[in-house]
Amino acid sequence: AQKITQTQPGMFVQEKEAVTLDCTYDTSDQSYGLFWYKQPSSGEMIFLIYQGSYDEQNATEGRYSLNFQKARKSANLVISASQLGDSAMYFCAMREGPENTGFQKLVFGTGTRLLVSP
Amino acid sequence: DTEVTQTPKHLVMGMTNKKSLKCEQHMGHRAMYWYKQKAKKPPELMFVYSYEKLSINESVPSRFSPECPNSSLLNLHLHALQPEDSALYLCASSHQLTSGVTDTQYFGPGTRLTVL
Repeated sequence: AQKITQTQPGMFVQEKEAVTLDCTYDTSDQSYGLFWYKQPSSGEMIFLIYQGSYDEQNATEGRYSLNFQKARKSANLVISASQLGDSAMYFCAMREGPENTGFQKLVFGTGTRLLVSP
Repeated sequence: DTEVTQTPKHLVMGMTNKKSLKCEQHMGHRAMYWYKQKAKKPPELMFVYSYEKLSINESVPSRFSPECPNSSLLNLHLHALQPEDSALYLCASSHQLTSGVTDTQYFGPGTRLTVL
């Protein structure tokens, strides 16, 4: 069963505007982690931001913030003041697996392609 | 420093060739991962090494053979591949969750593999 859902295959935004990329997840675990990665056309997966299920505050990293709504099981990425270099594929991912294994499998969504125009 | 390096960046090989992909990290991570990513798809986990031991093999065909010679290095040996194995191969590393730090996976730039 799909556990991470990204419903927006593509998004367009003008430079300097804010954009929200949607991500919903499904899990029965009490403890889990949510990640956002950016993948430019070069291929590298760049870590952007992390939200733990027990974190009370929404995560922020520079222009990136995570709108975490636990009851709705959503973890949307907000990019403020978009730049041309933000054009890329964005993946939402969730850590799954028991915590005591020491390493965690990531389950990825299908991604959202963001295009920033001048 | 959150750098994971991968070599080569591009690789073209025939179906009878033997080649290897290399991954290196110096962040003190004890978990290392291989992913395969086809075009327009998310990465798919292939293997996980934890403390240099193979912990997860996601039913990957035996023509892919991983190796972890030490805590900083991860190799993927390729033999008798098929054209459908053409993809971007990504390596990642992370701390262990029990170490008290986030287990964020940091990825390398990937190797674009073409099998002719």
